[in-house]
Amino acid sequence: GQQVMQIPQYQHVQEGEDFTTYCNSSTTLSNIQWYKQRPGGHPVFLIQLVKSGEVKKQKRLTFQFGEAKKNSSLHITATQTTDVGTYFCAVDLGNEKLTFGTGTRLTIIP
Amino acid sequence: NAGVTQTPKFQVLKTGQSMTLQCAQDMNHEYMSWYRQDPGMGLRLIHYSVGAGITDQGEVPNGYNVSRSTTEDFPLRLLSAAPSQTSVYFCASSYQTGPMNGYTFGSGTRLTVV
Repeated sequence: GQQVMQIPQYQHVQEGEDFTTYCNSSTTLSNIQWYKQRPGGHPVFLIQLVKSGEVKKQKRLTFQFGEAKKNSSLHITATQTTDVGTYFCAVDLGNEKLTFGTGTRLTIIP
Repeated sequence: NAGVTQTPKFQVLKTGQSMTLQCAQDMNHEYMSWYRQDPGMGLRLIHYSVGAGITDQGEVPNGYNVSRSTTEDFPLRLLSAAPSQTSVYFCASSYQTGPMNGYTFGSGTRLTVV
């Protein structure tokens, strides 16, 4: 079946460095959502992208949806310790089921 | 407004026992779902419901039953617990049918089957 690949699986960065995680699909997506899960916590909805080429910003976070709507990225500028956690993309495969990527676990080196 | 409430937070079961994980939401969300989270596996959909009286299977439904008698509640039943069902279980809800809105997750139930 259709899979959503998320890379990298892990990322360790120095505090203040940038971070990017990517989500890729083999087929065109209707929309994509991003979630953050703090260690020991539950996923928290960040944003949804719907339009081809869409770019949205939330403070230091920038979300992009590819022109072909097959990939998306989340970029964090100047990471802080509060950014620690696992970032998941999630896609609607058109059958009312939200499928999650495997996540990128971000750790910050102070 | 409590959001999505899951009980219990922790549970230890013996192999073969049955139990029900509770999930309730007070946001009048139509869409509810259950996920399990295992290390390195992300979140996998077990069962979901698009409204009261309607349920359907997700990616990993075997060994689990659900029902949706009211809009607010969506319990998950483990019929005969197995060690492979050791996991963290999350209930989530969304405002409208079809995931065009962000999901609100409960705080999870950490289940260990011995």
